[in-house]
Amino acid sequence: QSVLTQPASVSGSPGQSITISCTGTSSDIGGQKHVSWYQQHPGKAPRLMIYDVSNRPSGASNRFSGSKSGNTASLTISGLQAEDEAHYYCCSYTTTNTHVVFGGGTQLTVL
Amino acid sequence: QVQLQESGPGLVKPSQTLSLTCTVSGGSISSGGYYWSWIRQHPGKGLEWIGYIYHTGNTYSNPSLKSRLNLSVDTSKNQFSLKLSSVTAADTAVYYCAREDSSSWSLDSWGQGTLVTVSS
Repeated sequence: QSVLTQPASVSGSPGQSITISCTGTSSDIGGQKHVSWYQQHPGKAPRLMIYDVSNRPSGASNRFSGSKSGNTASLTISGLQAEDEAHYYCCSYTTTNTHVVFGGGTQLTVL
Repeated sequence: QVQLQESGPGLVKPSQTLSLTCTVSGGSISSGGYYWSWIRQHPGKGLEWIGYIYHTGNTYSNPSLKSRLNLSVDTSKNQFSLKLSSVTAADTAVYYCAREDSSSWSLDSWGQGTLVTVSS
């Protein structure tokens, strides 16, 4: 049972936009700016796509954006492409003793 | 561009100790501002943060694993290591090492991961 709650799956057609939500508590997402998002293709290591809620690391596509409202963070992917099909995980720093917590992951299918 | 690579046995017997090493290249493990972390992923499941170590040797571990976990660093070899004792089948997972940026607590570079199976 993951601490952060994500939808198990989302889907969209090429060119469309999708949003993945990630819900936590005031101990993590609601009280922190250190929220990150990771993309994971099958058999590969996760890749950082967003850090500190809405910042993109060097090399990450500007089609990826992040936001936060209350205890829920969101990842939006615009102009969907086939290569975006992957699992996406949210992560937040937490004031509990586990340092960081992850969501259970969301499978994005590009139709 | 920093790169990380895990190494260690892919099969460990129950009750024994799982040992992995992460070799860092393209950057110094002693550079400030980064912690060196371990994360695991059970088959078909999500990610679990295991713990981190700083180049000074300071560590922080997931409370659920702390009693069985030992993290160490060898700055001369640019490596850090994980030892998890008294393993069971529940410890079967892909183990990743990663660099954690202390300014954002994000994992910005990852190793490719190594599958460790606990079985007799």
